[in-house]
Amino acid sequence: DSGVTQTPKHLITATGQRVTLRCSPRSGDLSVYWYQQSLDQGLQFLIQYYNGEERAKGNILERFSAQQFPDLHSELNLSSLELGDSALYFCASSVDRGETQYFGPGTRLLVL
Amino acid sequence: EDKVVQSPLSLVVHEGDTVTLNCSYEVTNFRSLLWYKQEKKAPTFLFMLTSSGIEKKSGRLSSILDKKELFSILNITATQTGDSAIYLCAVEAWGQNFVFGPGTRLSVLP
Repeated sequence: DSGVTQTPKHLITATGQRVTLRCSPRSGDLSVYWYQQSLDQGLQFLIQYYNGEERAKGNILERFSAQQFPDLHSELNLSSLELGDSALYFCASSVDRGETQYFGPGTRLLVL
Repeated sequence: EDKVVQSPLSLVVHEGDTVTLNCSYEVTNFRSLLWYKQEKKAPTFLFMLTSSGIEKKSGRLSSILDKKELFSILNITATQTGDSAIYLCAVEAWGQNFVFGPGTRLSVLP
């Protein structure tokens, strides 16, 4: 158990819908990272927040957005969902940049 | 475009064998290279490498980085069935964009 929690564990929804994935980092960690892992594209970095502010952006679609709240939990919002958005979404946290990232168990999203 | 390549993509060995996994990269503004092990769930951190030529070790696993030739290797000695997993290599660029390779799927047979 890494200490990072993600909810929900599984999510099934329909195309065109919007969902919110939630992540609580390890106690003391200020950085939160979001990743998408699909069979055809492997693990892809989406976005990073540090203490409430966006730090880095990767391959995040415009339909996706994220934020980190004052209590340091983070949410990833996925809208206008498409079949291709079906994937495992991981959240990771670290104390700061350059430190070890600890991954949560992931949220498995299935878009039908 | 930033790129990370891993080889082999798949490897089958027997317990007790030694394996070497390869990772090469092309990244603008390299900051660090990371190795992860992924079994059926979330990746777990193995090593972070920032300097060339300095070997990092953890038990039977070790890794080294060559920043001149832009590659890293992960060695596993005396493999065990519990080493069966996908090993991911990732490179972090300044600005903290992370690029992952496709992974090497290692299967260790008893």
